[in-house]
Amino acid sequence: DTAVSQTPKYLVTQMGNDKSIKCEQNLGHDTMYWYKQDSKKFLKIMFSYNNKELIINETVPNRFSPKSPDKAHLNLHINSLELGDSAVYFCASSQDLRSWNTGELFFGEGSRLTVL
Amino acid sequence: AQSVTQLDSHVSVSEGTPVLLRCNYSSSYSPSLFWYVQHPNKGLQLLLKYTSAATLVKGINGFEAEFKKSETSFHLTKPSAHMSDAAEYFCVVSEAQSGGSYIPTFGRGTSLIVHP
Repeated sequence: DTAVSQTPKYLVTQMGNDKSIKCEQNLGHDTMYWYKQDSKKFLKIMFSYNNKELIINETVPNRFSPKSPDKAHLNLHINSLELGDSAVYFCASSQDLRSWNTGELFFGEGSRLTVL
Repeated sequence: AQSVTQLDSHVSVSEGTPVLLRCNYSSSYSPSLFWYVQHPNKGLQLLLKYTSAATLVKGINGFEAEFKKSETSFHLTKPSAHMSDAAEYFCVVSEAQSGGSYIPTFGRGTSLIVHP
């Protein structure tokens, strides 16, 4: 059973389109995250949700809108896609907000978004 | 403010020889430090962590790292490389923010190449 699962794994789309990436975790964790990994493998946090509440919202364009219908799900919706949005997006989860002190973060396998 | 520098973007070794991946950090307080590994087309997996206990930390797959406060370093080592070690390695520093949460900062990654 996959602990953190993301769909789709690959997404190819045209500029200007709107797309969503879904994430689910079956670990019973309270906290979920979205990370963006660019073409140079640099990983940057985008959002963090704790018990469905937005905790971290880094400097991300408001075309990106996370939604957490329950604490097991954190979806990422992107409006008006741009070329620079091409990246691998990782979902992750942890027991709680303090888990970065222990490093117990569980990552999904990533969703590779290509904007043409 | 915290930051992390991985001194080599690529490290190339022969199978059976030692591995050294270098990481220096900057942190205002007592940080937690981690190494994560990312195999091709996979999510990140925790290798090992330092959270103010023993300075020499052992992780999975024979890796270990030593926290040296005087040198602000947390280098990752392994006595003998295996072909399956070929992957991207990320050094991460995390310190407490106001409100009790932790925000991690990722290094830019070191690609480990293992030759037969």
